[in-house]
Amino acid sequence: EVQLVESGGGLVQPGGSLRLSCAASGFTFSNYLMNWVRQVPGKGLVCVSRIYNDGSSTDYADSVKGRFTISRDNAKNTLYLQMHSLRVDDTAVYYCVRDSDYRLDVWGQGTTVTVSS
Amino acid sequence: QSALTQPPSASGSPGQSVTISCTGTSSDVGAYEYVSWYQQHPGKAPKLMIYEVNKRPSGVPDRFSGSKSGNTASLTVSGLQAEDEADYYCNSFAGSHNYVFGTGTEVTVL
Repeated sequence: EVQLVESGGGLVQPGGSLRLSCAASGFTFSNYLMNWVRQVPGKGLVCVSRIYNDGSSTDYADSVKGRFTISRDNAKNTLYLQMHSLRVDDTAVYYCVRDSDYRLDVWGQGTTVTVSS
Repeated sequence: QSALTQPPSASGSPGQSVTISCTGTSSDVGAYEYVSWYQQHPGKAPKLMIYEVNKRPSGVPDRFSGSKSGNTASLTVSGLQAEDEADYYCNSFAGSHNYVFGTGTEVTVL
């Protein structure tokens, strides 16, 4: 079964750091671009970051550029999102999403990040 | 990159059709054939329903169809069923490795 399972979310104070992980299974992870998409409760979806299948290229939304770093370990079939200098407006559910030729076809269940003092 | 514009809500009775619009610009929806649509039930992850404007992934009922004209894409749900009640989001590739989502539409089955 094709599956993405996120972990690492939680409560963190403003200015703090957190690392999200996404374990992939059921497909050849190294063949796919991967994304992190977030959703503020009750609001819409926003693409936060994207990484090529070999990790050679990454992209970020302006709102997280310089604070978040996406990476992957193809040997471990795992995607990461390192988040620094977290702000209250980073509070959201973060989804790990497989990118298959410009369609976001497999989504994890999401992990919740809450930034609050 | 600004979000694509969708109506906040749409509704229809069982068996009827509902169409949701998704308006972008010549830099996203109008520039690429990479428009997709996602269904999201409360508390669940989004699910891909349409990709490349009008293609359906395996397992998605043919009641769901997509189209595009200029800078506006549309999703039509025909023969509405109770389980179609959900939020729907459009998405477009916007060049430079970026994607942009729509603002979302809440579909209610009356």
